[in-house]
Amino acid sequence: EVQLVESGGGLVQPGGSLRLSCAASGFTFSSYWMHWVRQAPGKGLVWVSRINSDGSSTSYADSVKGRFTISRDNAKNTLYLQMNSLRAEDTAVYYCAREPGPGIVKDYFDYWGQGTLVTVSS
Amino acid sequence: EIVLTQSPATLSLSPGERATLSCGASQSVSSSYLAWYQQKPGLAPRLLIYDASSRATGIPDRFSGSGSGTDFTLTISRLEPEDFAVYYCQQYGSSQLTFGGGTKVEIK
Repeated sequence: EVQLVESGGGLVQPGGSLRLSCAASGFTFSSYWMHWVRQAPGKGLVWVSRINSDGSSTSYADSVKGRFTISRDNAKNTLYLQMNSLRAEDTAVYYCAREPGPGIVKDYFDYWGQGTLVTVSS
Repeated sequence: EIVLTQSPATLSLSPGERATLSCGASQSVSSSYLAWYQQKPGLAPRLLIYDASSRATGIPDRFSGSGSGTDFTLTISRLEPEDFAVYYCQQYGSSQLTFGGGTKVEIK
């Protein structure tokens, strides 16, 4: 059974940093591209970042470029999101999500984690 | 960035009725790379449709997707009680992925 379990969320002050983790199981993690998607309270879904299967290629939404860094450790089956210079508008539930690959390089999401809440407030 | 506009924002229907949800794109979505998701309160989204019209694994055939270019539709042929939720479209035809604002299907 595919499982994605996020952790690392919490309350952080504006300008602060936080690192989210997403532990994957039930599939060959190293073969799949992975993403982060966020959802502000009561709002819609917003794509944040993607990383390819070996971690050599990444991309970001303009709203987080230069502040967030996506990475992965395939030996630990874990996806990360390092978030720096956090702002109030970064407050959201952050989901990790899997692409349908391997071999299907299409950026839609067939499995999602349960999400972890990040609150940026003083 | 491709902007996706979903309409209506809210759809009030009764169980057994047909639901038609629209998703319009600000520019043509390459290769009909459009997906639909269902989200219930407090839960993660669930993939329903990909490539505009292909049902995801385990999705009942009362859900169907259609469209191309800039106009896409999700149809639920007969609403079941578990179908009342928020639905989002998402395009993946460009590198900057975007979602629509969502349509809430509520019980009338």
